[in-house]
Amino acid sequence: DAGVIQSPRHEVTEMGQEVTLRCKPISGHNSLFWYRQTMMRGLELLIYFNNNVPIDDSGMPEDRFSAKMPNASFSTLKIQPSEPRDSAVYFCASSPPLPGGPGNEQFFGPGTRLTVL
Amino acid sequence: SQQGEEDPQALSIQEGENATMNCSYKTSINNLQWYRQNSGRGLVHLILIRSNEREKHSGRLRVTLDTSKKSSSLLITASRAADTASYFCATANSGGGADGLTFGKGTHLIIQP
Repeated sequence: DAGVIQSPRHEVTEMGQEVTLRCKPISGHNSLFWYRQTMMRGLELLIYFNNNVPIDDSGMPEDRFSAKMPNASFSTLKIQPSEPRDSAVYFCASSPPLPGGPGNEQFFGPGTRLTVL
Repeated sequence: SQQGEEDPQALSIQEGENATMNCSYKTSINNLQWYRQNSGRGLVHLILIRSNEREKHSGRLRVTLDTSKKSSSLLITASRAADTASYFCATANSGGGADGLTFGKGTHLIIQP
């Protein structure tokens, strides 16, 4: 398996523009997570899906952020309009069905480095 | 605030020495996991220890868990230059069936040749 795939790897955009980040989870995994990593705040969970359904979006910072998972093999994270403070590395991760109990091992993609000028 | 807090924030040791990193957390957990992140890369899962376990080994890694103190430690023995990375603990909280993990801010480990 190719692992979790994210695109683009790097994105530079200007303030006010729409940004769409893409993720393809590992086949057979039924949970998908979006994280944001910055030096100041560390790794923050933005939202996660289970069986394509958003379970917890309490980490989404503002209404400018939205995420979708139209099917088991694709998810998007959209920022509209983007702002300089959104600059960060955005990671997507997936995990297989739980054997029992919460919190299974997560498999991370390589991340998208977003710079908003 | 972060559930897991790693200590120290940064650690620099000589190759061949052992490296110990600690993690404290606040709530009841189902399991605790350690991840490694090399510069510019995604996180890689290292080891998972369940709340009913006290110690676990994987190669040169040894993890302990003390639920009474809400703390865990990661020991890397006979360190190598390739172990240079940031190490994160992550907790899976018990109850609620939630899948999400809560990550600490990490320990940056530098192995000097």
